[in-house]
Amino acid sequence: GESVGLHLPTLSVQEGDNSIINCAYSNSASDYFIWYKQESGKGPQFIIDIRSNMDKRQGQRVTVLLNKTVKHLSLQIAATQPGDSAVYFCAESFSGGYNKLIFGAGTRLAVHP
Amino acid sequence: GAVVSQHPSWVICKSGTSVKIECRSLDFQATTMFWYRQFPKQSLMLMATSNEGSKATYEQGVEKDKFLINHASLTLSTLTVTSAHPEDSSFYICSARQGNSPNNEQFFGPGTRLTVL
Repeated sequence: GESVGLHLPTLSVQEGDNSIINCAYSNSASDYFIWYKQESGKGPQFIIDIRSNMDKRQGQRVTVLLNKTVKHLSLQIAATQPGDSAVYFCAESFSGGYNKLIFGAGTRLAVHP
Repeated sequence: GAVVSQHPSWVICKSGTSVKIECRSLDFQATTMFWYRQFPKQSLMLMATSNEGSKATYEQGVEKDKFLINHASLTLSTLTVTSAHPEDSSFYICSARQGNSPNNEQFFGPGTRLTVL
């Protein structure tokens, strides 16, 4: 899900399918990662987080996978619903940096009935 | 869950005027608040980190004299865009954190849409 210029990459899925949104993070020292969902004209909404001592974490219908070797994060959404349509951002932070969040470029998820 | 509000939700102003945006934590005390800017179809960019009772820390490239931040209480931070110009038109989002522990989540406000004519 990396962005090029001003164009958000878009992932189009059918309702009921599983979605996988990817993110490459930049700082090998980052130790905390979060996925956010942002609907048009609204602030980011927390979905799920993971710390660097884990490689997988599951929530309700969502799973986050962390691969520190290649600095890659993914968000899996099971049984995608129309209400999941939004822009998804990953964010990284590290405890030595006052926990500032650095956001990735974002991916637009479009769910079609 | 913790709620963060912003006021106003949108504002239109003339070029050269100053605009103040408020960020409030409604049900918790926020030791630290963050201000972000988001241009259309882009990601959130951190502008500054604001700690209650001390000066804000600005990110590289953000003019501290243009974007004045005041964190006067544990529930309120304000961002003032001074002498706004059309290129300052953006979506401004704040977040608030209860403490400095890495375990403390940031809670985001709903954003303020600024349009400078």
